[in-house]
Amino acid sequence: NAGVTQTPKFQVLKTGQSMTLQCAQDMNHEYMSWYRQDPGMGLRLIHYSVGAGITDQGEVPNGYNVSRSTTEDFPLRLLSAAPSQTSVYFCASSYSWVGTNYEQYFGPGTRLTVT
Amino acid sequence: KNEVEQSPQNLTAQEGEFITINCSYSVGISALHWLQQHPGGGIVSLFMLSSGKKKHGRLIATINIQEKHSSLHITASHPRDSAVYICAVRSYRGSQGNLIFGKGTKLSVKP
Repeated sequence: NAGVTQTPKFQVLKTGQSMTLQCAQDMNHEYMSWYRQDPGMGLRLIHYSVGAGITDQGEVPNGYNVSRSTTEDFPLRLLSAAPSQTSVYFCASSYSWVGTNYEQYFGPGTRLTVT
Repeated sequence: KNEVEQSPQNLTAQEGEFITINCSYSVGISALHWLQQHPGGGIVSLFMLSSGKKKHGRLIATINIQEKHSSLHITASHPRDSAVYICAVRSYRGSQGNLIFGKGTKLSVKP
């Protein structure tokens, strides 16, 4: 298994540009999520999905969109990039989210800079 | 006040020392995770626990649900243990399955 993959690894955007961060997992996990990591702060949840066709907002959703058309893929879209979105973005997945707790698997991260 | 607090923020140790990293939380939880983030940035799960104690090699994690506290211990520390250690709790509050993260403890082990 490749686990959780993310592309690109690095990206530089100009203010106002849009882009999509890709995330895929091959473990048939139901739960997928996007986090951002900023200096001096813990990881913060942007959006999450509990299955294909089901998404919901996390703690910091503004400026981001997600969709989940398949179990494997969970792309994160930046609609109009702003310098405040400069961060490291992590995608994560787990087998499920209810009942017995499940281990989280993280992607390698995408380092995004918005100028 | 943050719902998940870690201490210390930074820790420097000599190779071979016994290391303890603490995590306190203020919400009801169903599980607590310890994660490791290496300088390259990748995050891996070390432990997931809801009671008692778990051990993997030189790493030991304990949790006291009544006191809302967990500790991560590293015995016989080694420079390759240098990383950021992150505590995260799966809270009953809000949507199921979402984790609340501490800010991390940066550990540096000197040879």
